[in-house]
Amino acid sequence: KNQVEQSPQSLIILEGKNCTLQCNYTVSPFSNLRWYKQDTGRGPVSLTIMTFSENTKSNGRYTATLDADTKQSSLHITASQLSDSASYICVVSDRGSTLGRLYFGRGTQLTVWP
Amino acid sequence: EADIYQTPRYLVIGTGKKITLECSQTMGHDKMYWYQQDPGMELHLIHYSYGVNSTEKGDLSSESTVSRIRTEHFPLTLESARPSHTSQYLCASSESVGVANTGELFFGEGSRLTVL
Repeated sequence: KNQVEQSPQSLIILEGKNCTLQCNYTVSPFSNLRWYKQDTGRGPVSLTIMTFSENTKSNGRYTATLDADTKQSSLHITASQLSDSASYICVVSDRGSTLGRLYFGRGTQLTVWP
Repeated sequence: EADIYQTPRYLVIGTGKKITLECSQTMGHDKMYWYQQDPGMELHLIHYSYGVNSTEKGDLSSESTVSRIRTEHFPLTLESARPSHTSQYLCASSESVGVANTGELFFGEGSRLTVL
């Protein structure tokens, strides 16, 4: 069964600290992996998209890594800010159909305290 | 900033009423989607469209219906709302980018529906 599991479910850190969020997936055949940021009451916004051949990608203070062999990804946030408080969603796409089916994780709820 | 818009943002309505959630995008994307999201849960695909006059049901069974008469417009309708329909509804669009499906997925701000 194709699944996306994220950990931790929630995380509280102090402003200025770094943190790493995890994503494990069983989706096959793999096409790409995306990380989204979703502020409370808003729609998700894309942070990164990585294909099979990419193992790291950065977007400002956000750095995503991908290990396609172990089917794991991580999102590292550097020097956290209050505005980083949000849910971070891992999404994996397969290429088994023309739809390019997307599998969503439940997200990690990050809270940054001053 | 994504050019995809949803209205209304919030709606509180009584049981049995008919409602339409509007979604429009100005990016010329062929693919459009409706997702349902409950607190702490993953997004579930309820409808999608590959283009004008093309609509399909998603993975999550839904009593809602959709139409795609124009490329930019993808409204979702509930003929008779029930409390079980209370949820957040997210509209999204993407361009077709080959079999790797690496097209960026743009989301609207969502419509929060509460049925009393």
